Amino acid sequence: SQQGEEDPQALSIQEGENATMNCSYKTSINNLQWYRQNSGRGLVHLILIRSNEREKHSGRLRVTLDTSKKSSSLLITASRAADTASYFCATRGIYGGATNKLIFGTGTLLAVQP
Amino acid sequence: NAGVTQTPKFQVLKTGQSMTLQCAQDMNHEYMSWYRQDPGMGLRLIHYSVGAGITDQGEVPNGYNVSRSTTEDFPLRLLSAAPSQTSVYFCASSRSDSSYNEQFFGPGTRLTVL
Repeated sequence: SQQGEEDPQALSIQEGENATMNCSYKTSINNLQWYRQNSGRGLVHLILIRSNEREKHSGRLRVTLDTSKKSSSLLITASRAADTASYFCATRGIYGGATNKLIFGTGTLLAVQP
Repeated sequence: NAGVTQTPKFQVLKTGQSMTLQCAQDMNHEYMSWYRQDPGMGLRLIHYSVGAGITDQGEVPNGYNVSRSTTEDFPLRLLSAAPSQTSVYFCASSRSDSSYNEQFFGPGTRLTVL
């Protein structure tokens, strides 16, 4: 069963605009990660935010985490056509080690129109 | 480094046939895993390994076998393919099973079972 649910399922914007994607999850987490998947390719890690962090930046990416609401958002600023991809959130539970697995959401498909 | 490599890229099987999906990584990663990706389902964990000689089941292990005889290789075996196993399969690796490690994904194998 999926831990994360992304919203919206699909998003279409113009180049230069900001894109915001949201992720909700169900159980307590150790950290939340965002991955990007270009069409027909494997996933690429973008950013990780720990449960005790509220906001994190990496280049044009800004991630927020609200553990009280069990939700996270990914903001891509000044979007480019090359940002067109599917974006997935993935959560790690509070217990580490071999019994703890990364659980992926269903993804948001972002299309950036030139 | 080649990273995570997977072969073949595409495969068509008939129901009941067997095959092995190959996965190799050259990053000396301890942790390796197999996921399947289906439309609207995100990625689901099939099997994983925390080191050579150690494997365990993920969320959807039925119909699949794995082994880990070396650090580099983690093949996935389908013993008797079924149409329900039509999917895109991704192999991933990370330095260890630490909660804070990012996962590196291969390019995927697109499998169709007729």
